[in-house]
Amino acid sequence: QQPVQSPQAVILREGEDAVINCSSSKALYSVHWYRQKHGEAPVFLMILLKGGEQKGHEKISASFNEKKQQSSLYLTASQLSYSGTYFCGTDISNFGNEKLTFGTGTRLTIIP
Amino acid sequence: DGGITQSPKYLFRKEGQNVTLSCEQNLNHDAMYWYRQDPGQGLRLIYYSQIVNDFQKGDIAEGYSVSREKKESFPLTVTSAQKNPTAFYLCASSGRRHYGYTFGSGTRLTVV
Repeated sequence: QQPVQSPQAVILREGEDAVINCSSSKALYSVHWYRQKHGEAPVFLMILLKGGEQKGHEKISASFNEKKQQSSLYLTASQLSYSGTYFCGTDISNFGNEKLTFGTGTRLTIIP
Repeated sequence: DGGITQSPKYLFRKEGQNVTLSCEQNLNHDAMYWYRQDPGQGLRLIYYSQIVNDFQKGDIAEGYSVSREKKESFPLTVTSAQKNPTAFYLCASSGRRHYGYTFGSGTRLTVV
């Protein structure tokens, strides 16, 4: 079953903050976050591991609540370049190669 | 530069015809994946392969077939048994765990 992302879409003015949530019904080993711009390939942003620390990447950071099987992506002081669709990908195992189940996506639009 | 190449970018086929989508990577990654993307449904896993000459079904494998004869190549055949083949198809690869997927730029298949 696919993880559920919320909200489905959000529109922000440049400089505002956003939070995107990802919730799974299964116990998770890791959560990946990707951003896809229209008509392009998804691009890997970061990974959060069970028992790991909160990750950060410039003004984009994320957290992982293992007990609730939830992850949140935080975008602060959003820039126009942040526009796109964000997907979380979840992995339930730490054996072998990763096999991700992706969420339904959150479309983020940043306006000037 | 290393990456994943998917071809063609756009593909049109008549209903009832089989069609093969190409995916080639020069990243020396062991694992390769095929995902299907439909509006509002995120990415859904069709097939994946962790090593040459071995592959497993994903969540929506019916009507699709794959082969993995070379490490670099993982072609996907959309057969006439696939009831709704029109979609955006993404190929991905993964090397070491925790480094995320690398995606190709996708093939948009339209069946008329």
